[in-house]
Amino acid sequence: DAGVIQSPRHEVTEMGQEVTLRCKPISGHNSLFWYRQTMMRGLELLIYFNNNVPIDDSGMPEDRFSAKMPNASFSTLKIQPSEPRDSAVYFCASRGDRDRSSYEQYFGPGTRLTVT
Amino acid sequence: AQSVTQLGSHVSVSEGALVLLRCNYSSSVPPYLFWYVQYPNQGLQLLLKYTSAATLVKGINDFEAEFKKSETSFHLTKPSAHMSDAAEYFCAVSPGGTSYGKLTFGQGTILTVHP
Repeated sequence: DAGVIQSPRHEVTEMGQEVTLRCKPISGHNSLFWYRQTMMRGLELLIYFNNNVPIDDSGMPEDRFSAKMPNASFSTLKIQPSEPRDSAVYFCASRGDRDRSSYEQYFGPGTRLTVT
Repeated sequence: AQSVTQLGSHVSVSEGALVLLRCNYSSSVPPYLFWYVQYPNQGLQLLLKYTSAATLVKGINDFEAEFKKSETSFHLTKPSAHMSDAAEYFCAVSPGGTSYGKLTFGQGTILTVHP
């Protein structure tokens, strides 16, 4: 199994630009999570999808952030317009139904975003 | 609501010494508890988990943790540290018995291992 795949691994962009982060969950997993990691705030859950439907987006910081999951094998997190304070590492994680009883999430390698 | 407090943002031990990373939790329902490890420039990897079975949980790389309800703790231990254990460790809590399983993470503890 290839694990959770995220792209790009690194992104440097200028303030005001649109940024799109991509995630491919583990095949067969039906839950997908987007997290943000910063020194100041640690690991924060941004949004959670189940069967491609957003279930909890209470962690999305503001309207500049949006996430989609058009199918079971792909999700995007978009920031438009980006700001320097969005600089962070963004992780995607997935979980399968058979893991529901143990809630084990499998994390991707992350995308390091730098907004200048 | 759930929360996690990891005592000590940095822990330093000598190779071969006992590793003890502390985690206390707060949960309004019986919790599920997890320890994850993060190596530099990598994602999080599950070390071990407590999901209401045995209170002493064994994980990968000889790590173990004990769930103590009376102390609301889930400390991580390893009898003998290895250089390869140097990483950041995260404790996380989830409300047990639900299908959502939202994880709330602690702030992390960076473990340094000296030769």
